[in-house]
Amino acid sequence: NAGVTQTPKFQVLKTGQSMTLQCAQDMNHNSMYWYRQDPGMGLRLIYYSASEGTTDKGEVPNGYNVSRLNKREFSLRLESAAPSQTSVYFCASSEYRGAGANVLTFGAGSRLTVL
Amino acid sequence: AQSVTQPDIHITVSEGASLELRCNYSYGATPYLFWYVQSPGQGLQLLLKYFSGDTLVQGIKGFEAEFKRSQSSFNLRKPSVHWSDAAEYFCAVDTSGTYKYIFGTGTRLKVLA
Repeated sequence: NAGVTQTPKFQVLKTGQSMTLQCAQDMNHNSMYWYRQDPGMGLRLIYYSASEGTTDKGEVPNGYNVSRLNKREFSLRLESAAPSQTSVYFCASSEYRGAGANVLTFGAGSRLTVL
Repeated sequence: AQSVTQPDIHITVSEGASLELRCNYSYGATPYLFWYVQSPGQGLQLLLKYFSGDTLVQGIKGFEAEFKRSQSSFNLRKPSVHWSDAAEYFCAVDTSGTYKYIFGTGTRLKVLA
């Protein structure tokens, strides 16, 4: 009954350091997403993967890279972290069933602080 | 451009009181609308969704929402709030076919005992 699992839950980085956020889902969903949540701004899409083997930019992709490793796993990488990337990151997945039928299942979030 | 507006950043209600959270959207085509709830330290959970048909939709935890096309609104309601409803609530639009939700900025609900 795991759903969407994200690791790590908390991370503190120094400016310029790199790190990868990991995400795995066990629901056999085709689509996966990375969002960031900042106070007063709701959730903003960073990258998404409509299906295994494809990735596309969302609203705020700068400073990030992603890898859809297989159907289950979708990682988010910060190559050179900046304080502006301090945020809570959420991974989500969905079984795309056609226009408008795209219900997201979210992980519990990863809180990242960049000093 | 598509957008979702939640005009209330914070709302405080007493336990047992009724609740209405507002959501307005701007989208040219048929909207697909959602309400998600986020408890402290947790991810988002789907409360309810509107795809088509009956404009009054029922969700989990006793919540309902009404789609009003003429007002471009999808307000969330609950007749009697429980202390466990304290959370942040997000309205979202699915821009169909693009995999890209647009989320509102959220409304944080506080419940007084």
